[in-house]
Amino acid sequence: AQSVTQLDSQVPVFEEAPVELRCNYSSSVSVYLFWYVQYPNQGLQLLLKYLSGSTLVKGINGFEAEFNKSQTSFHLRKPSVHISDTAEYFCAVSDLGSQGNLIFGKGTKLSVKP
Amino acid sequence: ETGVTQSPTHLIKTRGQQVTLRCSSQSGHNTVSWYQQALGQGPQFIFQYYREEENGRGNFPPRFSGLQFPNYSSELNVNALELDDSALYLCASSLGQGQPYEQYFGPGTRLTVT
Repeated sequence: AQSVTQLDSQVPVFEEAPVELRCNYSSSVSVYLFWYVQYPNQGLQLLLKYLSGSTLVKGINGFEAEFNKSQTSFHLRKPSVHISDTAEYFCAVSDLGSQGNLIFGKGTKLSVKP
Repeated sequence: ETGVTQSPTHLIKTRGQQVTLRCSSQSGHNTVSWYQQALGQGPQFIFQYYREEENGRGNFPPRFSGLQFPNYSSELNVNALELDDSALYLCASSLGQGQPYEQYFGPGTRLTVT
């Protein structure tokens, strides 16, 4: 069975500093990978996705992620964070046999401090 | 373009009761997936409906059931509510089944079971 591990439950960072949110997955088949953001009292918004092709994926709000098949990782990065990036971030995976259903990690709370 | 909407926003029920949650898909989308997000956890897949038929189910008991209507709106029904059913219930719509269609999430319904 697939699983997703988000290695940090909370990440505090100062405004304008870089940030990396880590995600590892376990799957024996080809996967599709996603990062979603959830602001307080809201649903999930897609930040970016890896389907195939280039392993460096760029998303909205200046975020990017790199797919590393050998390390089964899909870490999310931003070179300079803003206060408005404070939210919970979820890594998710799906594969061809799952009709597009997503398996989520437990989430990482990013707190950006002034 | 109308996004995914869910009703009600919040709901309080007593153990043993039944509840119905509603979801309106984004315009043009024919697939709806439901997820349960317990406090401090990532969303967990409940089931998916494609063109009014159940098209995949996660590890949830039969007292969790659903419907999809000809206009692609959907309901999630939960019978014999338990305290552990307290969670945020998220609906997501997408265009088509399978990969790699992006899922658009609604704001969720917060269910509290006392």
